[in-house]
Amino acid sequence: DTAVSQTPKYLVTQMGNDKSIKCEQNLGHDTMYWYKQDSKKFLKIMFSYNNKELIINETVPNRFSPKSPDKAHLNLHINSLELGDSAVYFCASSQDAGLVGTGELFFGEGSRLTVL
Amino acid sequence: GQSLEQPSEVTAVEGAIVQINCTYQTSGFYGLSWYQQHDGGAPTFLSYNALDGLEETGRFSSFLSRSDSYGYLLLQELQMKDSASYFCAVRAPGAGSYQLTFGKGTKLSVIP
Repeated sequence: DTAVSQTPKYLVTQMGNDKSIKCEQNLGHDTMYWYKQDSKKFLKIMFSYNNKELIINETVPNRFSPKSPDKAHLNLHINSLELGDSAVYFCASSQDAGLVGTGELFFGEGSRLTVL
Repeated sequence: GQSLEQPSEVTAVEGAIVQINCTYQTSGFYGLSWYQQHDGGAPTFLSYNALDGLEETGRFSSFLSRSDSYGYLLLQELQMKDSASYFCAVRAPGAGSYQLTFGKGTKLSVIP
């Protein structure tokens, strides 16, 4: 069983379209994240949710809207796609134990978005 | 905010030892993590240091010096499969319990 799964794995679309990426984790973790990895491999956090509540919203255009229907799911919806949105989007989860433990992030396999 | 510096690329020979350094500047600090990412794959956790010193896990070791804001990942007995990108990440105060900020990654190429 995949611990963190995201779909679709590949997404090719035209500028101006709206698309969604889904993420589910079966680890029972409290916290989920969306990271964007650009062509230079820079991993930048976009959003973090803890028990369905938004706790981090980095400087991300409001065309990006996360939705967490329950603590096992965190979906990412993107409106009016732009060329610069082309990247790999990673979903991740971690167990929120405060500062106890390593804070290990478990990543999904990534969703490669290409905007034409 | 947080900033991390690590070399962009390192090349090493199979069987050798390589050290990947990471220096950081943070507002508060809880610990330093390392992640490995193969091309086309997901980042995977390697190690975490909250206290000064060396942590060893098999062929990989990670070191932290909090006073120097410095850490490194040491890979011994390099294998071809170790060719990957390695990211250091700082765990620091932020929204919620903490925030994890990644460096820009070091691409390690292991050659025969």
